[in-house]
Amino acid sequence: AQSVTQLGSHVSVSEGALVLLRCNYSSSVPPYLFWYVQYPNQGLQLLLKYTTGATLVKGINGFEAEFKKSETSFHLTKPSAHMSDAAEYFCAAGPMIYNQGGKLIFGQGTELSVKP
Amino acid sequence: EAGVTQFPSHSVIEKGQTVTLRCDPISGHDNLYWYRRVMGKEIKFLLHFVKESKQDESGMPNNRFLAERTGGTYSTLKVQPAELEDSGVYFCASSPRQRTSGNTIYFGEGSWLTVV
Repeated sequence: AQSVTQLGSHVSVSEGALVLLRCNYSSSVPPYLFWYVQYPNQGLQLLLKYTTGATLVKGINGFEAEFKKSETSFHLTKPSAHMSDAAEYFCAAGPMIYNQGGKLIFGQGTELSVKP
Repeated sequence: EAGVTQFPSHSVIEKGQTVTLRCDPISGHDNLYWYRRVMGKEIKFLLHFVKESKQDESGMPNNRFLAERTGGTYSTLKVQPAELEDSGVYFCASSPRQRTSGNTIYFGEGSWLTVV
């Protein structure tokens, strides 16, 4: 069965420091992979996604993620954290099956805090 | 263009009562999904509509939950009777008709349900 694991339910970084949020997936077939962000009192917003092609994916707000098949990972990074990045981040995987792409498997979520 | 809208945003009901959550997907989106996140757990898939038809309802927890999508437009999720463990955030999401998987899925802000 497919599963998604996010290492660390809480991550704290200083403003200007590197952000690294880890995500590993478990699947016999590499799935489509997504990172969503939820700011306080808001819905889930897509940061970026990997479907096919280039393994380094760039998203909004300076975030990027790299798909590494050999490591079954899709870690999210940002070179320099900003206070506005404080939010909860979710990694999700979707099956490469026609018309089932919306059945996402989510990780547990990682709460990112940014210290001034 | 309006996003996915959900109503109510917050609801507090007593155990045994009925609650109906409504979701209006993005106009023209054939696919509509319901997800939920109970306290401390990951976001989990509930079901998937393609237009007015249920494509996949494998995530529905039990028969106290009833989802409908009248005319392939808006959808409702009814919980009757509500139990304490139903408390959580119910997310609705939509995506356009897809020939392949990997399309972006757009989420609403969620309906926060508290059962007391």
